[in-house]
Amino acid sequence: GAVVSQHPSRVICKSGTSVKIECRSLDFQATTMFWYRQFPKKSLMLMATSNEGSKATYEQGVEKDKFLINHASLTLSTLTVTSAHPEDSSFYICSARAPGQTNEKLFFGSGTQLSVL
Amino acid sequence: QQQVKQSPQSLIVQKGGISIINCAYENTAFDYFPWYQQFPGKGPALLIAIRPDVSEKKEGRFTISFNKSAKQFSLHIMDSQPGDSATYFCAAAQGYQKVTFGIGTKLQVIP
Repeated sequence: GAVVSQHPSRVICKSGTSVKIECRSLDFQATTMFWYRQFPKKSLMLMATSNEGSKATYEQGVEKDKFLINHASLTLSTLTVTSAHPEDSSFYICSARAPGQTNEKLFFGSGTQLSVL
Repeated sequence: QQQVKQSPQSLIVQKGGISIINCAYENTAFDYFPWYQQFPGKGPALLIAIRPDVSEKKEGRFTISFNKSAKQFSLHIMDSQPGDSATYFCAAAQGYQKVTFGIGTKLQVIP
């Protein structure tokens, strides 16, 4: 099946620093990528939808200046958590979908555990 | 507003038993109902999915039952195995729009 690679799998950073998370589609071109946040024992909450070559669409309540999303190519989207604080600690997951494909062809990365000290 | 309600939040089943997880949705425009399996520290993976034009779909030990009039669907895991221990999410989507997830069910299959 299609593979979505997410890197890093785990990152620990100091409060006030910025962290970049990468999401790559390895064997297909992904015009649409989604970024989720998951708290322990909770569901996945969609943060934003990223379309290649255009600005990301953020869900209500998500600070776009805090969570910068760049989708500069058909195989790479990045999420940058700027000036991270302990409350940003969470599990972040990306997913990707090929052009013209329905959600049946939505593939997820393995997630990034962010811990902000 | 929780568009997809999932229960129970945790489930313990003996090996060989049947695991049943239930979900209910509100938006009648949803036309795609997947179930995802997630292991600790990993992203979710599609397990099985159904569209509202069928009432049941079976893939191996996994079966989705769908009741359109009641706006409910459920996942049945037959002959549950310890390797099935994971968190299961039901979800729903409309067309190409975003997938909305349930709260998740942590399944533990004990030997």
